[in-house]
Amino acid sequence: EPEVTQTPSHQVTQMGQEVILRCVPISNHLYFYWYRQILGQKVEFLVSFYNNEISEKSEIFDDQFSVERPDGSNFTLKIRSTKLEDSAMYFCASSEVGILFFGPGTRLTVL
Amino acid sequence: AQTVTQSQPEMSVQEAETVTLSCTYDTSENNYYLFWYKQPPSRQMILVIRQEAYKQQNATENRFSVNFQKAAKSFSLKISDSQLGDTAMYFCAAHGSNYQLIWGAGTKLIIKP
Repeated sequence: EPEVTQTPSHQVTQMGQEVILRCVPISNHLYFYWYRQILGQKVEFLVSFYNNEISEKSEIFDDQFSVERPDGSNFTLKIRSTKLEDSAMYFCASSEVGILFFGPGTRLTVL
Repeated sequence: AQTVTQSQPEMSVQEAETVTLSCTYDTSENNYYLFWYKQPPSRQMILVIRQEAYKQQNATENRFSVNFQKAAKSFSLKISDSQLGDTAMYFCAAHGSNYQLIWGAGTKLIIKP
């Protein structure tokens, strides 16, 4: 069964560093998403991506964040100048229409 | 504003019992999906069940079923014959615009042996 994959499973970084979280969506899906979940809190929408451009983003998704689909298969989330409060689980999801399938998540720890 | 509300932060039942998790939502979309996702201790997000709003029939997946009341904007999840492996956080979610999901705060479900 096709699935969304994410790498790495756990990323530890120093405050101020840049990180890139990687996702491989399900191959025939057209819509891609990033969500995050700070430990103990609700899941928050970050951004959606369709047709090689951002279709919607939340207020969380400021200039510190960017997304890219560099090669037609990977979907990346870049976080520049990480802050302590960026520590969270980051979930990638993809959908054909309507139903989101989530990857296993990347746990980001900012020290 | 589009919102999803789960009013039960935590629930606990004995193994084999039936448990119902509540969810209410508010969305401006005309046609939308509703979802229940399970998040076990691994923190992975696993789709449990989904409901298309234009379908009147309640969705069922093995031991999991929903009670979808469109007029009341209610979407509860019933787990029958609960098992220890059902212990997890359960999140209700509804479509916002552009198929993004609006999430509830989650219900922690504990199944006791």
